[in-house]
This record gives sequence, structure tokens and C-alpha cells, in this order.
Amino acid sequence: AQTVTQSQPEMSVQEAETVTLSCTYDTSESDYYLFWYKQPPSRQMILVIRQEAYKQQNATENRFSANFQKAAKSFSLKISDSQLGDAAMYFCAYANTGNQFYFGTGTSLTVIP
Amino acid sequence: DGGITQSPKYLFRKEGQNVTLSCEQNLNHDAMYWYRQDPGQGLRLIYYSQIVNDFQKGDIAEGYSVSREKKESFPLTVTSAQKNPTAFYLCASRGTAGGPYNEQFFGPGTRLTVL
Repeated sequence: AQTVTQSQPEMSVQEAETVTLSCTYDTSESDYYLFWYKQPPSRQMILVIRQEAYKQQNATENRFSANFQKAAKSFSLKISDSQLGDAAMYFCAYANTGNQFYFGTGTSLTVIP
Repeated sequence: DGGITQSPKYLFRKEGQNVTLSCEQNLNHDAMYWYRQDPGQGLRLIYYSQIVNDFQKGDIAEGYSVSREKKESFPLTVTSAQKNPTAFYLCASRGTAGGPYNEQFFGPGTRLTVL
């Protein structure tokens, strides 16, 4: 089974500053998909960003941008201009062509006013 | 509104009892998933189903059972064989047209506590 590693259990950032959350994964496949999900205190999972492995261009969604390094098997999430509403657990996920998803253990992000 | 519903939100069970968690979706998605979430362990896959009347075990299927008799419904039964069932359970669904690029949509979850 593929593994997804988030090595930062907790992170904090000052409001309006930038923070980067790390994610690495282990796979022997060449075609796969990567996702970042946000889980706020309500525990409702929300998609933040997604990336196709065969696309070299990094995905972006407003203040959220990915840094995809295929050779290094790294998929980090950068949050710019952090807002109080960004405080949440963030999960990195890997999906293979067999439709299985694998999640990391999560990073708890605190936003300091 | 389209979405995924899980019921109940909170569930209490006595040791030795089976309990069934409900998951319904009206998104017309083919694939449905059950995850267990424990503190510090992320989401772990219990079972998934890609089509009606078919399902596969995930990484932690022992002590759980599922059925997929209708496209909209994917109930999870936590049996008495599950040694540590207290956890937060999340159901998800995903459209399979277009491949794995489609994200999973999640329900609000069920918190199961064994007394």
C-alpha cells in the first residue's frame, strides 16, 4: 500500500503571513493524483487543492498553492495571507488509478491573530 | 441539495452489541468509502465500493461489515468483533467518470462511543 507522510503534526502562523505544510508519499506508480483536504473544528472535510501527477504545473486555488516535486515525491501546500478561518487540520491524500485514497496523519494549523 | 448524509451524529453502544451507521448520498456517485478517524492517525480506510453489490476491504476491515444494495446507500456495521470501536467515522463518495482526478465528498461523520 502507498504511504503518505505528514511530518509536521502542528504548525502555527501569524495572521496575514505565509505558511507551508509538508507532505511526502511513497509510490512506484507513475500515474496518480494528490489532494489537500481541510478539516475545520466542525470536522467536515473540504477539498482545498488537487494535482495530477502528469502535470508539471503546480495547482493553485486563490491563496492556496501546491508545490509538486514528482522526483522527490513531495506535495507541499502553501497558504498565503493566512486568515483566522484557515485554522484547521490539513490532510494530504494520494489516489491511485484503482480509486483508492490514502491519507496522511494530518497537520494541525493554528492561526495567531 | 446534493450531498452526503450520515446518521446518527452521535452513537453510543454497549460492549458486545452490533451497531449500524448510515450513509446516504444523492450525488449519483458510483464509489463510496468508509473511513475511521482516530487522533494522530489520520483517516484509515475500512471498506470501499465502486459499484452496487460489490465492495472491497480496506486496511482495517476486521470487525466491520458493509452492504451496497442501492447506489445511494452504503451502511457500515460495527460488530462485536471490533476490539476498539470508539472513533469518528466518515463516509465519502466520489464520481468515477473522468477517473481518480475527482475528489471525494465527505459526510459530516458519526462519533461512536462504546460504553
